[in-house]
Amino acid sequence: DAGVIQSPRHEVTEMGQEVTLRCKPISGHDYLFWYRQTMMRGLELLIYFNNNVPIDDSGMPEDRFSAKMPNASFSTLKIQPSEPRDSAVYFCASSPRGGFNEQYFGPGTRLTVT
Amino acid sequence: DAKTTQPTSMDCAEGRAANLPCNHSTISGNEYVYWYRQIHSQGPQYIIHGLKNNETNEMASLIITEDRKSSTLILPHATLRDTAVYYCIVRVGGSNTGKLIFGQGTTLQVKP
Repeated sequence: DAGVIQSPRHEVTEMGQEVTLRCKPISGHDYLFWYRQTMMRGLELLIYFNNNVPIDDSGMPEDRFSAKMPNASFSTLKIQPSEPRDSAVYFCASSPRGGFNEQYFGPGTRLTVT
Repeated sequence: DAKTTQPTSMDCAEGRAANLPCNHSTISGNEYVYWYRQIHSQGPQYIIHGLKNNETNEMASLIITEDRKSSTLILPHATLRDTAVYYCIVRVGGSNTGKLIFGQGTTLQVKP
């Protein structure tokens, strides 16, 4: 299995631009999670989906952030407009139905907003 | 979820056992202990979990005290590649319940 796939691996953009991060979960996994990691705040859960339905988005920082999961094999996290404080590493993770909270993380997308 | 307390950092000699402690004195009867680690510049990696019995897999062993107020993750023969941040997480239930709250973890440095 290829594991969780994220793209792009690195993104540099200017403040005000729209940024879209992409994630392909492990096939057959029913849960998908988006995390953000910074030095100051550590690893934070932004949102998670179960069977393509958003379950908890309480970690989404503000309306500039949105996430979708149109099907079981694809999810996006969009930031519009982006700000320098959004600079972070964004991780996607997936987890199987019936699993014991073992989440499988992707390699992350390092976002830099200048 | 119960709060966990871990040392900020630890050192271990290569080839020796690494014992990483975690305190979770307010743990409830239906809360599990999970361990993850994050090697530099990579996504976190699941290691092991347990409820009250000691657990072992190909990566590590998990020892939970009888009162469940603390636990120890044991890497039996640490290698340089085990240098990472190790997170101890307490979470309700065995089946998927979504949120995992990652604290600051313990930075383990394995030295040659």
